[in-house]
Amino acid sequence: EVQMVQSGAEVKMPGSTVTISCKVSGYTFTDYHLHWVQQAPGKGLEWLGLVDPADGRTKYAEKFQGRVTMSADKSRDTGSMELRTLRSEDAAVYYCATESTTPGVFDLWGQGTMVAVSS
Amino acid sequence: IVMTQSPDSLDVSLGERATINCKSSQSLLYSSNNKNFLAWYQQKPGQPPKLLIYWASTRDSGVPDRFSGSGSGTNFTLTISSLQAEDVAVYYCQQYYSSPMYTFGRGTKLGIK
Repeated sequence: EVQMVQSGAEVKMPGSTVTISCKVSGYTFTDYHLHWVQQAPGKGLEWLGLVDPADGRTKYAEKFQGRVTMSADKSRDTGSMELRTLRSEDAAVYYCATESTTPGVFDLWGQGTMVAVSS
Repeated sequence: IVMTQSPDSLDVSLGERATINCKSSQSLLYSSNNKNFLAWYQQKPGQPPKLLIYWASTRDSGVPDRFSGSGSGTNFTLTISSLQAEDVAVYYCQQYYSSPMYTFGRGTKLGIK
C-alpha cells in the first residue's frame, strides 16, 4: 500500500523553528518529487515548495524563500520540511504530497501535520 | 498564475447537478501537446485533498463518473451530474502550467440544499 505518514502536531513559540517529517512507503522514494502544501485555518491551499529525493535539489515558493528548507533522506525514505522564524500566520496544517502520474498533479497526500504558533 | 473560483459556496439538492467554475489569469493550454494543465481536488473535513481530475478532464483512478471536468485555455468547470450526500466537500482547482510554481483556487464549499 502506498502511504505518506507525517509526524505529529506541534505547538511552537513565535520566532522558533518547526520541522515536519514525511515517511513514504509503497513506492520508490526517489522516483517522484516530494511537495509541501500549507493550509491555514479556514483557508485554501498554498504550495510551499518541493524537494527531489533523487538529488536533493529544491524549489521554493517566493513567499517562503529564506525561511524554509526541504530535504530528503534516501536511507529512510523520509522527507522533511523546516520552517524558521515562525509567526502567527504560519499556524496551519502542512501536507506532504507527491505526483506519481503527472508532474505537478498531487495524487498522493500525507495525513497532514497541524502547527500551532502561540506564546 | 492566479486561479479564481466561483461561487465561493453552493448548495444543491440531492440528485441535482452541481457546477463549479475556475478561471485562470493566463492560459493553461500548452500548445505542444494541446493539453490544459488544470487539476481538481476534493477535500472533506479533517482529510487531505483528494485528486479528482487532471488534464482538465481526465478522471483519476476510482473517481466516480458523475464527476467530470471541462474547459480550455482560461475557463474551466467541474460538474457533478447527480449530487450524492458523500460529495459534500470543498473543491479546489489547481494549475500546474507554471511548473513548479503551482497555485490553487480559494475553494468552493459544496453543500446539500
